Amino acid sequence: GENVEQHPSTLSVQEGDSAVIKCTYSDSASNYFPWYKQELGKRPQLIIDIRSNVGEKKDQRIAVTLNKTAKHFSLHITETQPEDSAVYFCAASYASGGSYIPTFGRGTSLIVHP
Amino acid sequence: DGGITQSPKYLFRKEGQNVTLSCEQNLNHDAMYWYRQDPGQGLRLIYYSQIVNDFQKGDIAEGYSVSREKKESFPLTVTSAQKNPTAFYLCASSIKQGDYGYTFGSGTRLTVV
Repeated sequence: GENVEQHPSTLSVQEGDSAVIKCTYSDSASNYFPWYKQELGKRPQLIIDIRSNVGEKKDQRIAVTLNKTAKHFSLHITETQPEDSAVYFCAASYASGGSYIPTFGRGTSLIVHP
Repeated sequence: DGGITQSPKYLFRKEGQNVTLSCEQNLNHDAMYWYRQDPGQGLRLIYYSQIVNDFQKGDIAEGYSVSREKKESFPLTVTSAQKNPTAFYLCASSIKQGDYGYTFGSGTRLTVV
C-alpha cells in the first residue's frame, strides 16, 4: 500500500516568515494530493490540493508543488500569520483494485509567533 | 454545520462494552470514511465505503465494524475486541472515491473508563 512521510513534525516560525512542509509518497500510481489544516479542537479542513498532471498550484499565500519523479510534494505558506497556527496534514490518494485509498501523513504542528 | 454530523461529541465506554458512533451527511456524497486520530499518529483509516451496502477495511479495522444501509449514514461500532479504543474518531465524506477532497465531521472523542 501507500506510505506517506511528512516532515517536519513541528515547525516554529516568526510572523511574516515563510513555512514549508514536505511530504513524500511511495506509490507512483497516486494521483491526488490534498492538504488539510486542523486548528486546535476543530475538524480538518481542505485548504489546497493538486493533481498529478500539475506541477504547482497557488491560492493567495498558500502554494503546493509536486515532483512526480521524486515522489514528493510540498506546502508553502508565505507571510505567515498567527491564525496559520494549526496542524497540517498531507495526503496521497492511490488506486488499489480499482478503488482509491487515501493515506495521510502524520501531521506538522505549525506555530507562528507574533 | 458543514453537511456532515457526528454524534455524540464525547462518549465514555466501560470495558467490555460495544459502542456505536454516528455519522450522517446531507452532501449527497457517495464515499464515506472513518479515521482514528491519535497524538503523533496522524489519521489512520479504519473503514471506507464507496456505495450503499458495500464497505472495505482500512489499515486498522480490527475491533471495529460498520454498516452502510443508507447513503447518508455510516455508523461505526467500536467492539469490545478493540484493545485500545480511547481516541478521537473522525468521519469524512467525498463526492466519489479518488481525486476529490474530503469533508470531515467534527469528531467524537471516545474514552474507556
